[in-house]
Amino acid sequence: EAGVAQSPRYKIIEKRQSVAFWCNPISGHATLYWYQQILGQGPKLLIQFQNNGVVDDSQLPKDRFSAERLKGVDSTLKIQPAKLEDSAVYLCASSLEAGNEKLFFGSGTQLSVL
Amino acid sequence: AQSVAQPEDQVNVAEGNPLTVKCTYSVSGNPYLFWYVQYPNRGLQFLLKYITGDNLVKGSYGFEAEFNKSQTSFHLKKPSALVSDSALYFCAVRDSGYSTLTFGKGTMLLVSP
Repeated sequence: EAGVAQSPRYKIIEKRQSVAFWCNPISGHATLYWYQQILGQGPKLLIQFQNNGVVDDSQLPKDRFSAERLKGVDSTLKIQPAKLEDSAVYLCASSLEAGNEKLFFGSGTQLSVL
Repeated sequence: AQSVAQPEDQVNVAEGNPLTVKCTYSVSGNPYLFWYVQYPNRGLQFLLKYITGDNLVKGSYGFEAEFNKSQTSFHLKKPSALVSDSALYFCAVRDSGYSTLTFGKGTMLLVSP
């Protein structure tokens, strides 16, 4: 089966610019997650969707980050404006359902903010 | 609140020797525990999980983990390490009453030939 697809693979921007990441989960997976992984740290959950509804966005910096899940399938994560501390790998994951512990991760988007 | 700690940044082991990667956790309710592995330039992959039952769980690639409730630990083990096991390993926890995972900071495992 196809895995979780993410694009772009790498992105370099200057601070105060905007950026968007795209994710296509595994077909049939109802739950989609966006994680932020800063170098030397474990992944930190930014937002969790169940179908096209938000389950948890308590750690999403809502003044600059936004996310949507179109028709309960693809998802886009946006940062506007970016800060230096946003430099990280942004991981998308999906699972069959919320509470299903087996997450399937994409390869991530590595963001560098200069 | 839920949290997980991986006290070692790096573990070095010779090929053929047993390996252990340590993990401790803190939850309010019952813990659901997981190990994921991240190979270079690849996404995280699920290795194994503990929900209930036998304290020793077996997973992919010959790995196993032992749940110890009194020590709040969930250490990853393998009887005989391979060079190809070299990767970044993440422990994760979810409280039974909560739906999202919290990951540790990761432990780099280096297996030398």
